[in-house]
Amino acid sequence: KNQVEQSPQSLIILEGKNCTLQCNYTVSPFSNLRWYKQDTGRGPVSLTIMTFSENTKSNGRYTATLDADTKQSSLHITASQLSDSASYICVVSDRYDMRFGAGTRLTVKP
Amino acid sequence: NAGVTQTPKFQVLKTGQSMTLQCAQDMNHEYMSWYRQDPGMGLRLIHYSVGAGITDQGEVPNGYNVSRSTTEDFPLRLLSAAPSQTSVYFCASSYQIAGAPDTQYFGPGTRLTVL
Repeated sequence: KNQVEQSPQSLIILEGKNCTLQCNYTVSPFSNLRWYKQDTGRGPVSLTIMTFSENTKSNGRYTATLDADTKQSSLHITASQLSDSASYICVVSDRYDMRFGAGTRLTVKP
Repeated sequence: NAGVTQTPKFQVLKTGQSMTLQCAQDMNHEYMSWYRQDPGMGLRLIHYSVGAGITDQGEVPNGYNVSRSTTEDFPLRLLSAAPSQTSVYFCASSYQIAGAPDTQYFGPGTRLTVL
């Protein structure tokens, strides 16, 4: 049973547009939630990490939100660039174990 | 710092062959782990280590062995390769905070095909 569900599975947007990726989880007890960016053919790279008490965290044009009550997180990308084309992975930890979502594949077109 | 390095980048094996995937990190991280990534699925933990001499099984350990003789190195051995082990393998390392892994740094991956 996959405890971390991401949507959409894939997304295509035009350069300069904004987009929002979703992550729903059932992992419990909750420790923290991370978003990673994975370029094609490379390992994931951390974007943000949020604990239970944090609602929002930004990293440049990336803003992650967390609603621990509804067990939902989103990653908002502002003014997308071609280099944003990648898979975005949501990872939820229950203190010792990490559960990875399958990722959202984002393609930014010129 | 080189970060996390993995070799080889690509490998093709025949069913039944054995091989070792190498992983090294130069950040003095205590925690190291191996994952496999298959299409449409999230990364799945194979084995992990919280320090030299200590290893433990993850979610999908069957068919794989690991050892941690030094802080820097964490090789993954495939004992008798099977087509089901065709995947992309990632090694990761991190510090530990209160016994749990902190943000992980991933290697570039090894793409393995078993015929």
